[in-house]
Amino acid sequence: DAGVTQSPTHLIKTRGQQVTLRCSPKSGHDTVSWYQQALGQGPQFIFQYYEEEERQRGNFPDRFSGHQFPNYSSELNVNALLLGDSALYLCASSWRPAGREKLFFGSGTQLSVL
Amino acid sequence: DAKTTQPPSMDCAEGRAANLPCNHSTISGNEYVYWYRQIHSQGPQYIIHGLKNNETNEMASLIITEDRKSSTLILPHATLRDTAVYYCIVRVAGDNNNDMRFGAGTRLTVKP
Repeated sequence: DAGVTQSPTHLIKTRGQQVTLRCSPKSGHDTVSWYQQALGQGPQFIFQYYEEEERQRGNFPDRFSGHQFPNYSSELNVNALLLGDSALYLCASSWRPAGREKLFFGSGTQLSVL
Repeated sequence: DAKTTQPPSMDCAEGRAANLPCNHSTISGNEYVYWYRQIHSQGPQYIIHGLKNNETNEMASLIITEDRKSSTLILPHATLRDTAVYYCIVRVAGDNNNDMRFGAGTRLTVKP
């Protein structure tokens, strides 16, 4: 049973560029959330996708956008990259929006913006 | 969601019990206590959660005080592989979102 898979594992971009990160949820899961984790800090919620729609959003600017596909996989897009966007980006999945359910996380994509 | 307070770091000897405290003095009656951990270079991993009764699973035990203002995660026989950052999170049961409010957590180091 495959867990949550993310690609790529590492990525280097320059300021002003755009980036797309990908996530495949754990088998049987239909809800995907994205988190940003800066060095030395806990993960911060970006947004959540369920039924191909953004259902909840954290305190992140519109430069951060996403998409969920019919097979439940998801993409995170970040436009006009800033140095401060350098972080580990984590994808988490669950069956339905979590409620009391636990989240399963991928190992993340390490994004470096130069 | 209520805020949590955890010590920034703790050490534990291999084979001994690791007791990780968490204060959540403003917790509401409908808020659960969740614990996740994050081993270096991996995503967070769910450990356990509870409302007011003590809980135990194959990974750990969760002890919640009677007034629910604090809790302790217990790893009964810590191993080197338990070295990780442990996060205590409080959230409303049935919240229709995946917004887990991670703080800075406790960095547990298990020493041989």
